[in-house]
Amino acid sequence: DGGITQSPKYLFRKEGQNVTLSCEQNLNHDAMYWYRQDPGQGLRLIYYSQIVNDFQKGDIAEGYSVSREKKESFPLTVTSAQKNPTAFYLCASSTRRSGANVLTFGAGSRLTVL
Amino acid sequence: EDKVVQSPLSLVVHEGDTVTLNCSYEVTNFRSLLWYKQEKKAPTFLFMLTSSGIEKKSGRLSSILDKKELFSILNITATQTGDSAVYLCAVDRDNDMRFGAGTRLTVKP
Repeated sequence: DGGITQSPKYLFRKEGQNVTLSCEQNLNHDAMYWYRQDPGQGLRLIYYSQIVNDFQKGDIAEGYSVSREKKESFPLTVTSAQKNPTAFYLCASSTRRSGANVLTFGAGSRLTVL
Repeated sequence: EDKVVQSPLSLVVHEGDTVTLNCSYEVTNFRSLLWYKQEKKAPTFLFMLTSSGIEKKSGRLSSILDKKELFSILNITATQTGDSAVYLCAVDRDNDMRFGAGTRLTVKP
């Protein structure tokens, strides 16, 4: 089945540690996205990538980094510079056909900083 | 600054009620407006609207877009407990998708 796989589902981190969240898709989608979701704030865009080896900052990129070395993969690193990293992280992918851009989401990764 | 505003933020109804969820937007390079349902984890796609005045329907759910007044509504008739979820409105810009804060709908038996 085609879809997006995020791992791990739950992650605990000590302050000062970097962590990397995995996102893999087998939908052959060109674009991939990372969103952060906090209670009452909807989804906020962290980074997105339209093609391999290229990515753009979203609204809240500070303290995060990404790479897009393969079309299928778009890992997100939460660095120690991110002041409030505890959140639910959603990865998504899309391909634009006939002007339509519908996102397909992974099941999410919940990060808790202890 | 681009923004997508949803109202109400939360709503509690009883089974059988009809609800209307609102989404207004101010976005440059508008391409389309989308509605998603998020029950626990991954949001799932409901509707995509690109033209004003054309209602999209799927069973008890329907949605319409007004590009002149910059808003969309999502209607759910004869609500069921399974409709309980967060409903997200998103606007597709040229390169990315901007989301609203969501409306949390709770349907009581």
